[in-house]
Amino acid sequence: GEQVEQRPPHLSVREGDSAVITCTYTDPNSYYFFWYKQEPGASLQLLMKVFSSTEINEGQGFTVLLNKKDKRLSLNLTAAHPGDSAAYFCAVSVRSNYQLIWGSGTKLIIKP
Amino acid sequence: DPKIIQKPKYLVAVTGSEKILICEQYLGHNAMYWYRQSAKKPLEFMFSYSYQKLMDNQTASSRFQPQSSKKNHLDLQITALKPDDSATYFCASSQEGANTEVFFGKGTRLTVV
Repeated sequence: GEQVEQRPPHLSVREGDSAVITCTYTDPNSYYFFWYKQEPGASLQLLMKVFSSTEINEGQGFTVLLNKKDKRLSLNLTAAHPGDSAAYFCAVSVRSNYQLIWGSGTKLIIKP
Repeated sequence: DPKIIQKPKYLVAVTGSEKILICEQYLGHNAMYWYRQSAKKPLEFMFSYSYQKLMDNQTASSRFQPQSSKKNHLDLQITALKPDDSATYFCASSQEGANTEVFFGKGTRLTVV
């Protein structure tokens, strides 16, 4: 079945710097891709969802890249600020049963 | 207003006891889930239900039993509690399908002493 590997598990960057979190997946039939953000002590909230036909999606202060050839999904935070300190999880939807397979999370800390 | 209500927010239980975690969603979703989060496992899928029927069970222990009395309810009964069960339990829901967002409740933080 689908396996999703997320790296790195911990990431610390200075305010204003960029941060990159990557997920690789195994199932070529993976269909939809999600990034969730979990602020300290809070629940998970959707940051962005990417469809298989989309390669680049931009949000406020971040970009999601999907490379289907390499089966790689990345979240690039540009000019990180303290509000970006959180845990980030990727999730991949498998076409066969629409089940979400989750990455193991990245704890991001933004240092002043 | 929160659309997925989990009760209680915090729960302390004695080893060997039984507790029920409550979850109700008011999003009109047909799929509901339980996830667990602890220091050992950042996010662990436990169960999924669709139209009140169990679709997937990734929990090895039968001490965890979901209960769905209504379409928008999915409670989690945990028996013979162990300290290792200490975690935050998140209820979630979605409209079944490949491209739909999963919405999470605020969680119940369970501590077993």
